[in-house]
Amino acid sequence: EVQLLESGGGLVQPGGSLRLSCAASGFTFSSYAMSWVRQAPGKGLEWVSAISGSGGSTYYADSVKGRFTISRDNSKNTLYLQMNSLRAEDTAVYYCSMQNRVTTVFDYWGQGTLVTVSS
Amino acid sequence: EIVLTQSPATLSLSPGERATLSCRASQSVSSYLAWYQQKPGQAPRLLIYDASNRATGIPARFSGSGSGTDFTLTISSLEPEDFAVYYCQQRSNWPMITFGQGTRLEIK
Repeated sequence: EVQLLESGGGLVQPGGSLRLSCAASGFTFSSYAMSWVRQAPGKGLEWVSAISGSGGSTYYADSVKGRFTISRDNSKNTLYLQMNSLRAEDTAVYYCSMQNRVTTVFDYWGQGTLVTVSS
Repeated sequence: EIVLTQSPATLSLSPGERATLSCRASQSVSSYLAWYQQKPGQAPRLLIYDASNRATGIPARFSGSGSGTDFTLTISSLEPEDFAVYYCQQRSNWPMITFGQGTRLEIK
């Protein structure tokens, strides 16, 4: 059974940093691209970042480019999102998601972790 | 950026009725469109991929259609557990994935 468990969310001041983690199990982690998708309170879904199975390719939404860094440790089956220079508009629930190898759609999702950027 | 516009914003129906949700893209996404369902406090769940293919375990009452810029998600006969928010998502210009703003399906 595929399981994705996010952690690392919390309250941070504007301009601060936070690192999210997503522990994966139930599948061959290194074979799948992974993404972070966020959802601001009461709002819709926004794709944030993606990384290939090997970690060699990374992609970012314009809204986070230069501030966020996605990475993965395939030996630990863990996905990360390093978030720097946080802004109030980054406040959201952050989901990690496993992407289908053929269609790239988001097959499985974690339960999410809440990041609140506020002074 | 490809913009996806969903309509209506809110749809009020009764159990047993047929639901038709629309998603329109600002430019052609071919058939690279997916639909997700999200219930309060839960993560989204994949329903349909590549416009018309049901994901694993999704009941047959859910169906998707369309290509190019106009897409439809149909729920043939609403069950109580179907009342939720539905999002469409395109992957035509991967990795620049975009979602629609959502349609809330509520009980009338």
